Amino acid sequence: SQKIEQNSEALNIQEGKTATLTCNYTNYSPAYLQWYRQDPGRGPVFLLLIRENEKEKRKERLKVTFDTTLKQSLFHITASQPADSATYLCALERGSGGGADGLTFGKGTHLIIQP
Amino acid sequence: DTAVSQTPKYLVTQMGNDKSIKCEQNLGHDTMYWYKQDSKKFLKIMFSYNNKELIINETVPNRFSPKSPDKAHLNLHINSLELGDSAVYFCASRAGTMSYGYTFGSGTRLTVV
Repeated sequence: SQKIEQNSEALNIQEGKTATLTCNYTNYSPAYLQWYRQDPGRGPVFLLLIRENEKEKRKERLKVTFDTTLKQSLFHITASQPADSATYLCALERGSGGGADGLTFGKGTHLIIQP
Repeated sequence: DTAVSQTPKYLVTQMGNDKSIKCEQNLGHDTMYWYKQDSKKFLKIMFSYNNKELIINETVPNRFSPKSPDKAHLNLHINSLELGDSAVYFCASRAGTMSYGYTFGSGTRLTVV
């Protein structure tokens, strides 16, 4: 069955360092992979989408890589700040047509940036 | 100018009651979804609608019935509520193609007592 695994439930990083989160998947051949941020009591917020033919994508201090051979995506936050503390979710499209099938999410990694 | 809005934000009710959660999006998106986030914070899809038509109905008890009166609204009605229905329910929407992210509402925390 299709599975998405995020490397750890919690990750503690010192402020200013780079945080790296891992997402591995099995039994998928995704055309896209997405990352979301979720704060307590809020809905997930879309951060980045990367296509299968893109090795890397950047947005400000965020960087995502996508290796379809390893079936893995890495999510990096450089120069991390306490405000980056949140749960980060990896997600893949279910099904193959049109996107109406929705997303399957990993369980998330709770990132804590310590001052 | 909230993009995806859900009401109510909190819902506390007794077992056996029937309740509804409303969702509206003002983004002009074609597809809307309901997700459930359980106590372990795991997000799982329940339903998806595309232009008012049901596309996906995951293994959800038939006590849950989504209704989409128009493209901008997707409501969730739950009959005969059970303790295990307690969770946070999120509505989401997305533009028609796969190259866009999803926009989620802020969630409805349902507590069944």
